[in-house]
Amino acid sequence: AAGVIQSPRHLIKEKRETATLKCYPIPRHDTVYWYQQGPGQDPQFLISFYEKMQSDKGSIPDRFSAQQFSDYHSELNMSSLELGDSALYFCASRDRTSGSSYNEQFFGPGTRLTVL
Amino acid sequence: QQPVQSPQAVILREGEDAVINCSSSKALYSVHWYRQKHGEAPVFLMILLKGGEQKGHDKISASFNEKKQQSSLYLTASQLSYSGTYFCGTENFGNEKLTFGTGTRLTIIP
Repeated sequence: AAGVIQSPRHLIKEKRETATLKCYPIPRHDTVYWYQQGPGQDPQFLISFYEKMQSDKGSIPDRFSAQQFSDYHSELNMSSLELGDSALYFCASRDRTSGSSYNEQFFGPGTRLTVL
Repeated sequence: QQPVQSPQAVILREGEDAVINCSSSKALYSVHWYRQKHGEAPVFLMILLKGGEQKGHDKISASFNEKKQQSSLYLTASQLSYSGTYFCGTENFGNEKLTFGTGTRLTIIP
C-alpha cells in the first residue's frame, strides 16, 4: 500500500539559509499535518491543511510557511534557519471524507534537518 | 495542555506485562497510540473514541475512560520488538491535530 512520502530524507543547512521540505500524502487523503520533533522530545504540531486550505496552526515560527497544492502535496518553507530548528520533521496525512467518524494519521518517514 | 504519560520509562524482561497511562486535563474526543523507535516515524497502534471503548489486537490492547480523560495501553507477554517510545496522541475534537503526550520509553531485555 502507498505510504506518505517525504523528501528529502536528510538535509544539512547553514544558519540563516532557507530550506524546503516536501510531503506527498497517501492518494485520496485530503488532510496534511506537519510536526516537528526535537531530540528526545515528543512531536509538536506545526500546521495543517484540509482541501488545500490551512485548517489549523500550532507553534510554527513566523519564519516558516507552508502550503498545500492542487495535487494535495504540501511544502514547508523555512527561512533564516537557526540552530534550534535542527529536528525531525514529520508529515502525516489523513482521509477526512471517507465517511468514517475517526481516522488515523499516517506518518511519513520524516526529514532530518541539521542546521550548522 | 500536553497529556501526561506514566511511567516515563520502564524496563521489562521479555514475556513480562506493562501498562502505560495517558492523562489529559481537557475533554477528549479520541486517543491515538503510537510506538516510535529512535530516528524513525511514529507507528500507529490504535485509536480509541470517547465512549469508554476498549480495543486490542494480538498482545496489545487499550482502554479509554472518557469521564476521567484517561487512556491506558496494555502490553502483554512483551517481545523484544516492543522496545521503543510510546506516545499517546489526543484530539479534543474529531479530525484535529494530535497533541502528543510526554512519552514512555519501554526497554525489553532478553
